[in-house]
Amino acid sequence: TQLLEQSPQFLSIQEGENLTVYCNSSSVFSSLQWYRQEPGEGPVLLVTVVTGGEVKKLKRLTFQFGDARKDSSLHITAAQPGDTGLYLCAGHDSNSGYALNFGKGTSLLVTP
Amino acid sequence: DTGVSQDPRHKITKRGQNVTFRCDPISEHNRLYWYRQTLGQGPEFLTYFQNEAQLEKSRLLSDRFSAERPKGSFSTLEIQRTEQGDSAMYLCASSLGLAITDTQYFGPGTRLTVL
Repeated sequence: TQLLEQSPQFLSIQEGENLTVYCNSSSVFSSLQWYRQEPGEGPVLLVTVVTGGEVKKLKRLTFQFGDARKDSSLHITAAQPGDTGLYLCAGHDSNSGYALNFGKGTSLLVTP
Repeated sequence: DTGVSQDPRHKITKRGQNVTFRCDPISEHNRLYWYRQTLGQGPEFLTYFQNEAQLEKSRLLSDRFSAERPKGSFSTLEIQRTEQGDSAMYLCASSLGLAITDTQYFGPGTRLTVL
């Protein structure tokens, strides 16, 4: 059973388009993290959200943590080919201790 | 600035052989984690260390898997009698060790292929 469900699983868009990817769970998380992973490399942290309702912006990327701390979204404005990669959400719930629970990820392809 | 490093980056082995991977964490980080990632999945937690102490190992996949961090610095992950199902990316991460929610910084991974 996947604790964190990510959608969509795959997304192919053209440069300049906007997109939103989602991370949902029935569990409450003390924090959620978003990572981006390129083929053959390890995940690279983009952001950590901690407070319910929190919104964080990182250039063209906007991250939101749900009020109940069970879900999160990542919105990319004016996507660029360099945004291509696997976007993973991960978090600690009350049972996981120090282990990060990851979703399966959203694979994004941005074509010129 | 040196991040988490892993060696080797790629390993091809035959079924039944033993393999060992090394992870060097960020120097001031007390916690070190091992994850496995198979195709189409997110990373799956295996084990972690606080300094040299292995504090969680119940999620190692079988008794063929073992990990050490003898001096609280680098760590090794060994898989004995490899099976084709062990083919995956093995990721190491480290964190400061101040709180559960400390950021975990990942290395580039070791890609294992078992023939």
